[in-house]
Order: sequence, then structure tokens, then C-alpha cells
Amino acid sequence: QQPVQSPQAVILREGEDAVINCSSSKALYSVHWYRQKHGEAPVFLMILLKGGEQKGHDKISASFNEKKQQSSLYLTASQLSYSGTYFCGSSTSNTGKLIFGQGTTLQVKP
Amino acid sequence: SAVISQKPSRDICQRGTSLTIQCQVDSQVTMMFWYRQQPGQSLTLIATANQGSEATYESGFVIDKFPISRPNLTFSTLTVSNMSPEDSSIYLCSVGSRNSGTDTQYFGPGTRLTVL
Repeated sequence: QQPVQSPQAVILREGEDAVINCSSSKALYSVHWYRQKHGEAPVFLMILLKGGEQKGHDKISASFNEKKQQSSLYLTASQLSYSGTYFCGSSTSNTGKLIFGQGTTLQVKP
Repeated sequence: SAVISQKPSRDICQRGTSLTIQCQVDSQVTMMFWYRQQPGQSLTLIATANQGSEATYESGFVIDKFPISRPNLTFSTLTVSNMSPEDSSIYLCSVGSRNSGTDTQYFGPGTRLTVL
């Protein structure tokens, strides 16, 4: 079953923060986050495994709440380059197969 | 991560015809997947391409419509058969790479297909 992302769209000014949520009705093994710019392929951002870990690189981090079956992606001090559509991909086992959420469109304005 | 290429990058086809899309990776990978992304939509998994055996298709996708080959660990093809305008989409292959103890996926550049 497809995970549900919220919000569907976000508009920010440079330097502002954003949070994108990804919820599943099924027990998750892992959550994978991707960013896709218009006309390009999705680019891998990070992976979180069950265990409630939090990860991050640069000003983008993410958490995984196993009990709530929810992951959140945190973008701090947003830059123009953060604009794009963010997808979470969920896996219920270690098979590598991912089911993607519907996406969250992020627009960062100067 | 592996370098992934797809051919063709785009094509315009007539209804009723078939198109074969190639996916080439510069290193051996265990897992390869095929996705479809309709305009403005999310990524929908079509099938897992298994090396040396038949592909594993997701619900709503059948082998007669989307035959897949995977002759080795670096190459796969997806054929879109008997095309209709509803097949107009971006088709992406992805490869599985072990990351933090599990397999994440890296995507090829995609093939933009328009069916008239």
C-alpha cells in the first residue's frame, strides 16, 4: 500500500525550514527519501532503517518513528537548490522493493 | 554509486507498436527494477528484473504487455507492447545497491515515451 505524504506542496523563502512527513499503514522495514527535479531522475537522499534512527547530511535530516510507522524529512535553512519533488519510498522487508508516496513539491523562492 | 544509462532517452511512437528500452549499468548489480512515472505522478513499480529467470511483476502489470529481459548482471530491457496513448510515461530503471545493511535504489535517467 502506498505511503501517504504530507503536505502535498510547500512554498518557502530561502533560509526557512520545512518538514515533510511520510506515513504508512504497514509495518516498515526501511524508508528511503529521494528528490526529483523537473525532467530529471530521482536522486537518493538517505535511508532509514527500523529502529527509530535519525540521519542527516548537510542541512537535510530525517527521522523514522517505527511505532508510528512514520518518517519525517527535515530541511533547514532551505536553499534554492532544495526545490523539487520529494518522494519517500517504503519497504516492508529487506527485498529492496520500494513503494513510493505521492510526492511533496517544494518550491524555494529567493 | 553505479552509473546507469538508458536508451532511448525519448521516443514518439504510434499506437499498436512496441518499444524496447535498454538499461545498462557500469558494474554488476544484484537487483534491477523498472518503474513508470506518468506526468506529474509518483513512481509506480512495474517489475523486478531477475537475472536468469522471469521477472516478478506487480499487481496491474503483466508480462504480455511489459516483457522484461535480464540476460546478465549489468543489463536489462523493458518492452512496452501494443502501445496506446495511456502508455505515455517516463520509464525508469533502477538498480539496488547495498547501503547501511539494506538495498537502496539508484535511478537511471529515464526514457520519455509519447504514444500518438
